[in-house]
Amino acid sequence: DADVTQTPRNRITKTGKRIMLECSQTKGHDRMYWYRQDPGLGLRLIYYSFDVKDINKGEISDGYSVSRQAQAKFSLSLESAIPNQTALYFCATSDPTGEETQYFGPGTRLLVL
Amino acid sequence: AQKITQTQPGMFVQEKEAVTLDCTYDTSDPSYGLFWYKQPSSGEMIFLIYQGSYDQQNATEGRYSLNFQKARKSANLVISASQLGDSAMYFCAMREPYQAGTALIFGKGTTLSVSS
Repeated sequence: DADVTQTPRNRITKTGKRIMLECSQTKGHDRMYWYRQDPGLGLRLIYYSFDVKDINKGEISDGYSVSRQAQAKFSLSLESAIPNQTALYFCATSDPTGEETQYFGPGTRLLVL
Repeated sequence: AQKITQTQPGMFVQEKEAVTLDCTYDTSDPSYGLFWYKQPSSGEMIFLIYQGSYDQQNATEGRYSLNFQKARKSANLVISASQLGDSAMYFCAMREPYQAGTALIFGKGTTLSVSS
């Protein structure tokens, strides 16, 4: 089984709708992240969380919110989706010790019409 | 200014040949980490290799090695004996310990195409 899972894997929604992307991990990592990937722009950080009570904005948090329901679960919400939020969304986790390598989920492809 | 620069939008190599993917970075922090990830057409991000700023030796992982030139602020990925399955997008990324919760800063990527 994958260590970091994301649901749904693909989603089509309409402008103005609220949607939630979910991330679960079995790696036992405290740190979790949400990134967005647009063509030609690499990945950019939306939000990150060091533990259940610690949530922080990243580079591009406007229009997004998050919830850290448990150590293993970190959800990203688009309160009112707009077409320029069409992107590939990744969840990642890391262990704060050592190299702190980030391990990514498989991604969620979101299309906002 | 860009913190991670990958100047090669696309690279082409034949099977069994070696290829170098370029990455330069910009930081004033003495402690940082450099990572390379592979993204195949299926979309997932696969961790390949890590180099810490204080590491004396270049990192190696199987067919992957990282040519770390600290003074030049470059961290090039070398793939030896290329295989068809190496065709993918490759991203260089940097972690600065006191920035944005140690999240990664990514370059824009290089597309590698391996032909038979």
